[in-house]
Amino acid sequence: GQNIDQPTEMTATEGAIVQINCTYQTSGFNGLFWYQQHAGEAPTFLSYNVLDGLEEKGRFSSFLSRSKGYSYLLLKELQMKDSASYLCAVRDGDYKLSFGAGTTVTVRA
Amino acid sequence: IAGITQAPTSQILAAGRRMTLRCTQDMRHNAMYWYRQDLGLGLRLIHYSNTAGTTGKGEVPDGYSVSRANTDDFPLTLASAVPSQTSVYFCASSPGTSEYNEQFFGPGTRLTVL
Repeated sequence: GQNIDQPTEMTATEGAIVQINCTYQTSGFNGLFWYQQHAGEAPTFLSYNVLDGLEEKGRFSSFLSRSKGYSYLLLKELQMKDSASYLCAVRDGDYKLSFGAGTTVTVRA
Repeated sequence: IAGITQAPTSQILAAGRRMTLRCTQDMRHNAMYWYRQDLGLGLRLIHYSNTAGTTGKGEVPDGYSVSRANTDDFPLTLASAVPSQTSVYFCASSPGTSEYNEQFFGPGTRLTVL
């Protein structure tokens, strides 16, 4: 089975930086995904890491350390539209995704 | 391009009734998935299909069944609904199951079982 932990809530100010941590224990590992989900909507893909290191995509970056079972999603230059839930998901040895409960980020003006 | 569609958008159902949630994708993806999302628990996999004609059980399959007669459609059936099946149901698809293959999600079905 999988055990994926991430903080429940985070609050930050517009223009600031927020880092969302995710730790995992899995049976097999075939990549880690981050999804964004606005209230009442479907999750949408943000990033994918399968090797150790940092992946940067515009204002969003994601980091992975496989030896530590750890990832983070970094959101820079926060905008009001970034208020959403951010889901950490690990793909296991059978290529199925297991999701964390999600981190709700609130961006304040 | 529609991507993934789900029907109905929402439904209120009496306990004991049978219900089928529909999911259709037009991306010719091989793999399809059904998740339920409950507050505080995140998305949990119910059933999946790696290719047409095959299905598998996920983390929470009890009370649900699926079929995959063709590439595009992946219906989820609740044979006899119970209140604990009240949830938001998301269908997803991906091109395949190996390497880098993100999952694309449908808009969801909000189901309430009374």
